[in-house]
Amino acid sequence: GESVGLHLPTLSVQEGDNSIINCAYSNSASDYFIWYKQESGKGPQFIIDIRSNMDKRQGQRVTVLLNKTVKHLSLQIAATQPGDSAVYFCAENFAGTYKYIFGTGTRLKVLA
Amino acid sequence: DAGVTQSPTHLIKTRGQQVTLRCSPKSGHDTVSWYQQALGQGPQFIFQYYEEEERQRGNFPDRFSGHQFPNYSSELNVNALLLGDSALYLCASILRVGQGVQGYTFGSGTRLTVV
Repeated sequence: GESVGLHLPTLSVQEGDNSIINCAYSNSASDYFIWYKQESGKGPQFIIDIRSNMDKRQGQRVTVLLNKTVKHLSLQIAATQPGDSAVYFCAENFAGTYKYIFGTGTRLKVLA
Repeated sequence: DAGVTQSPTHLIKTRGQQVTLRCSPKSGHDTVSWYQQALGQGPQFIFQYYEEEERQRGNFPDRFSGHQFPNYSSELNVNALLLGDSALYLCASILRVGQGVQGYTFGSGTRLTVV
């Protein structure tokens, strides 16, 4: 498949360690946020979402934290596995517009 | 349950030509958005179609146009292709009616190369 992010910031973590991927979003009026995972040659895949009335949401092995004060979003992946290697994007939604603005992305590399 | 399907998967065109990309949304979805993803960047919103009308548009020139059909499928047309139009074009769908805001389901994209 083709690489989706040759020049993206890269986070390298050892298999089994926890990963933290950060994102700064742009609009203080955004009220819904999503983390997407994009593997080479594929479209973005939904991981987890959070609404602006929450500051934390947990899924299976993943946790999203939202800090509206500083417009910051983070994705925590517990016990990182080789299959987690991909590019991760945060996306924000403006108040029910169905239009998502994506961040620049972070490449996660899991080291065996 | 089929997800979002896009065709073709790869395409090579010459500068100045026109191209049409196609998208079938996930079963049950009624809204389609198109995104352009240049290499090394996040997807950029082009426009969104709902009830066969363009509802929102990103910062793209009029060379980019689209259509939605009664069966909710959609086309993206790009005229007068430029080298800078080379990118992965992603289609995403969602059920808009009565569901509120939620995440889109994306297709695998069409890789367009303009030479």
